[in-house]
Amino acid sequence: GQQVMQIPQYQHVQEGEDFTTYCNSSTTLSNIQWYKQRPGGHPVFLIQLVKSGEVKKQKRLTFQFGEAKKNSSLHITATQTTDVGTYFCAGKGWRETSGSRLTFGEGTQLTVNP
Amino acid sequence: NAGVTQTPKFQVLKTGQSMTLQCAQDMNHNSMYWYRQDPGMGLRLIYYSASEGTTDKGEVPNGYNVSRLNKREFSLRLESAAPSQTSVYFCASSELYGSGNTIYFGEGSWLTVV
Repeated sequence: GQQVMQIPQYQHVQEGEDFTTYCNSSTTLSNIQWYKQRPGGHPVFLIQLVKSGEVKKQKRLTFQFGEAKKNSSLHITATQTTDVGTYFCAGKGWRETSGSRLTFGEGTQLTVNP
Repeated sequence: NAGVTQTPKFQVLKTGQSMTLQCAQDMNHNSMYWYRQDPGMGLRLIYYSASEGTTDKGEVPNGYNVSRLNKREFSLRLESAAPSQTSVYFCASSELYGSGNTIYFGEGSWLTVV
């Protein structure tokens, strides 16, 4: 079955440092979504990428979809304490017969030291 | 807007007891989901309902049953709780299943089985 792997599992940074999390799929993805979960909270949708090589920005967050549509990354420039949380990628299989099931990565837990 | 509402928020069960987690959404979404979240495991799909009147197994359905009561409500039942079912449970919904739709999560239900 399709697997979506995310690295690293944990990342500790000093406030102001950059942060990147990577998402890799064993199969080609039709699209990929990113979610953020604050400590004790629930996942909240951030963005969706659809096109090969697509890059989208949300303020200090930059999302990229690989050319082969098998990987994606989320980069945060100059982290702030408000960025603390777990970031999940989620991918839909391109040819899944079960109705394009969304598979979540294990998440990257980001902590930011002020 | 309430979005996705699930109850209870916290529950402690003894091994062998049964319980039902309730979920309702007010966004007129067709698809609803139940996920469980365990440390280092990301979000794993238990069951989903692509549309009213249908339910299907996800990645980890064993030990659970679901009911799509109507378009708004989707409940998850543990017939005989086991310690391995200690987890955080999230109900979620999306406009459609099988396309790149945003998934909206409830606030979570923390379940401990002793």
